[in-house]
Amino acid sequence: AQTVTQSQPEMSVQEAETVTLSCTYDTSENNYYLFWYKQPPSRQMILVIRQEAYKQQNATENRFSVNFQKAAKSFSLKISDSQLGDTAMYFCAFMSYTGTASKLTFGTGTRLQVTL
Amino acid sequence: GAVVSQHPSWVICKSGTSVKIECRSLDFQATTMFWYRQFPKQSLMLMATSNEGSKATYEQGVEKDKFLINHASLTLSTLTVTSAHPEDSSFYICSAPLSASSYEQYFGPGTRLTVT
Repeated sequence: AQTVTQSQPEMSVQEAETVTLSCTYDTSENNYYLFWYKQPPSRQMILVIRQEAYKQQNATENRFSVNFQKAAKSFSLKISDSQLGDTAMYFCAFMSYTGTASKLTFGTGTRLQVTL
Repeated sequence: GAVVSQHPSWVICKSGTSVKIECRSLDFQATTMFWYRQFPKQSLMLMATSNEGSKATYEQGVEKDKFLINHASLTLSTLTVTSAHPEDSSFYICSAPLSASSYEQYFGPGTRLTVT
């Protein structure tokens, strides 16, 4: 079974600054996907970024980027130029690559607060 | 993008009664849907995988007779909490992949269930 660990229950960052959220995972599989989801106070889950394990290049989506270290089973999220709207819970998630739609295993989450 | 809806968005029911939660894919067909449960300030835990035209697959520890899942069409899955008790109070979220082979899942807005 896969496990996902987020060791930072809460983080705070000032507007316009950069913050990094940590995530580690454990799996015996070689092919899989990793995701970061954002859950704002509305509780709607929003996909922030994804990474395919077979890709060495780190994924980037505008102000969001990841540092994927496959050997270390580490998948951190960097948010640059933080904005007030980034305030939310952030969940790291793992999905096996099975060729068909598969379930997500979530970490415990990191509550990010962006301050003025 | 793809949209998944849930109904109701919130519901209050009395102990011992049953309550049904609907999950609909509005602009795509979903042969598979996932049901998650989220307690306050906690992560999403997968309850079951809903399969169109066949029985749902439940995660270990989830009572299939208590949480009835029916995936009667390609756009609708329902979760019925039978004989609800206060400990069933939680936030229930469904998700659906865009296609059978898609890694990307779209989440519903969630249903808050309160059992009194």
